[in-house]
Amino acid sequence: DAKTTQPTSMDCAEGRAANLPCNHSTISGNEYVYWYRQIHSQGPQYIIHGLKNNETNEMASLIITEDRKSSTLILPHATLRDTAVYYCIVKGGGFKTIFGAGTRLFVKA
Amino acid sequence: GAVVSQHPSRVICKSGTSVKIECRSLDFQATTMFWYRQFPKQSLMLMATSNEGSKATYEQGVEKDKFLINHASLTLSTLTVTSAHPEDSSFYICSARDRGKSYNSPLHFGNGTRLTVT
Repeated sequence: DAKTTQPTSMDCAEGRAANLPCNHSTISGNEYVYWYRQIHSQGPQYIIHGLKNNETNEMASLIITEDRKSSTLILPHATLRDTAVYYCIVKGGGFKTIFGAGTRLFVKA
Repeated sequence: GAVVSQHPSRVICKSGTSVKIECRSLDFQATTMFWYRQFPKQSLMLMATSNEGSKATYEQGVEKDKFLINHASLTLSTLTVTSAHPEDSSFYICSARDRGKSYNSPLHFGNGTRLTVT
């Protein structure tokens, strides 16, 4: 599976958009980009995933560059409850989900 | 949405005893479940893949005789930590994939079990 690179931590003001970047320059054609988050002392929560098109759901938007070497998770209006560790994972179908270090997002009032 | 229930949420046991953790998919069937371990301030580490009706597949460095996994039905997998020691104290998390969805569908995670071995 392709490796990902994420910033260690980020801050965001409450009510503003949180843009979390992820680099995956070695991604292969059949690998999807997945985002999960983990709030302290809980299990990870699935947010969104995509192959090459931009995706949006009730939680977030996923923007994937045309060359697929990077992506951005957008939380449009961050709240204090969005403070968590966000994991960007790239994997092909049927492969194991391996977690990296993720980005610790702090949403501040 | 798909729900994975993990029980117990917290357990304290004495050194040398065994502890069983259950992972249930409540509204879907899971041919495959995954067990992770997470130490404080670290990321999740995959321990093993649990396959319904067959033996689990363990990641390198994970002792299969210490971490017994049973996946007897399409909705239940169990992890038994045998002869637990203080260094086994950790946060154990299970996840499952809906067998009715494609291989690219995301995993659903339980809320974890905090194991403390005294």
